[in-house]
Amino acid sequence: EPEVTQTPSHQVTQMGQEVILRCVPISNHLYFYWYRQILGQKVEFLVSFYNNEISEKSEIFDDQFSVERPDGSNFTLKIRSTKLEDSAMYFCASSYTGGTEAFFGQGTRLTVV
Amino acid sequence: AQTVTQSQPEMSVQEAETVTLSCTYDTSESDYYLFWYKQPPSRQMILVIRQEAYKQQNATENRFSVNFQKAAKSFSLKISDSQLGDAAMYFCAYRLLSGGGADGLTFGKGTHLIIQP
Repeated sequence: EPEVTQTPSHQVTQMGQEVILRCVPISNHLYFYWYRQILGQKVEFLVSFYNNEISEKSEIFDDQFSVERPDGSNFTLKIRSTKLEDSAMYFCASSYTGGTEAFFGQGTRLTVV
Repeated sequence: AQTVTQSQPEMSVQEAETVTLSCTYDTSESDYYLFWYKQPPSRQMILVIRQEAYKQQNATENRFSVNFQKAAKSFSLKISDSQLGDAAMYFCAYRLLSGGGADGLTFGKGTHLIIQP
């Protein structure tokens, strides 16, 4: 069964460093998303991406964040200058259309020290 | 802005029994989707069931069913014949059905379901 894959599963980085989280969405999906879950809290929407551009973004998704689809398969989230409060689980998701359910990857646990 | 409320932080049920998880939401829209996602200790988000707001019939997936009350903005999940593998966090989620289709999911805070053997 097709699945969304994320790498790495766990990333530790120093405060102020840049990190890139990678995702390979399901191949025929057209909509891509990033979500964040701070430990013990609910999952929060960051950004959606369609047709090679950002479609929607939340107020969490400020200038330190960016997304990119550098080729036909990868979808990345870049955090430019990490802060301690960026420590969270980051989930990538994809869907075939905007109306269908989103399939989530297994997540990347980001720890900022 | 849409909000999703799950009023039960934790629920416990005996194996093989039935349990119902509550969810209410607030929206001024008429076309939207509702979902239940399961998050086991591995923390992966797994879709359990989905409901389109325009459908009056409640969705069912094997042992999982929903009670969708659009006027009351209520969307509860019933798990029948609970199994140990059902133990997880359960999140209720809302998505607007818009023309662009790329709106994100709005999640509730989750309900931690414990299955007692």
